[in-house]
Amino acid sequence: GQNIDQPTEMTATEGAIVQINCTYQTSGFNGLFWYQQHAGEAPTFLSYNVLDGLEEKGRFSSFLSRSKGYSYLLLKELQMKDSASYLCAVKEAGTALIFGKGTTLSVSS
Amino acid sequence: DVKVTQSSRYLVKRTGEKVFLECVQDMDHENMFWYRQDPGLGLRLIYFSYDVKMKEKGDIPEGYSVSREKKERFSLILESASTNQTSMYLCASSSPNNLRGYYGNTIYFGEGSWLTVV
Repeated sequence: GQNIDQPTEMTATEGAIVQINCTYQTSGFNGLFWYQQHAGEAPTFLSYNVLDGLEEKGRFSSFLSRSKGYSYLLLKELQMKDSASYLCAVKEAGTALIFGKGTTLSVSS
Repeated sequence: DVKVTQSSRYLVKRTGEKVFLECVQDMDHENMFWYRQDPGLGLRLIYFSYDVKMKEKGDIPEGYSVSREKKERFSLILESASTNQTSMYLCASSSPNNLRGYYGNTIYFGEGSWLTVV
């Protein structure tokens, strides 16, 4: 079966670094995506990993280990505007993405 | 930029009404999707389409149908709305190809439609 797990909530302070973990068990694997979703808005694409290793994009980085079924999203120099839900999603062999339930990150000053 | 447009942002419908949610994308994407999002349950796939007139059931298709008569348009239909269909509905599109610098298979969402069934 399919299972994507990520923590429900996390808190951090401005300027800090936070790591949001995602573990997955799926019947196939063709890439892992991270999305950001602010309250009341649609998810927006953040990153994509299909090979093992780290992908860096500004303050955000995403890591993948396919053998461990594990990914993380690293957010550096946190800002208040980073308060949002972060969704981990996996593409199996088919067309659609399977989403985790999301991690709500609260950044305080 | 990819543009996925959902026709209605907020709707209130009565139980038993037929409801149409329309979605249009301008990226010539082959794939289109309808998800619903509920607190504590995350995003769940209702239906998707990988080509005109083609459709596939997702995880929760019961009570819904879809229509894709043109490549750019994907409609979600609630034949007889019920209160448990009160939710946020998200349309999305993707292409298996890398287009204009975007990764293939990345899905892009519309703004969402908040449906309340009373």
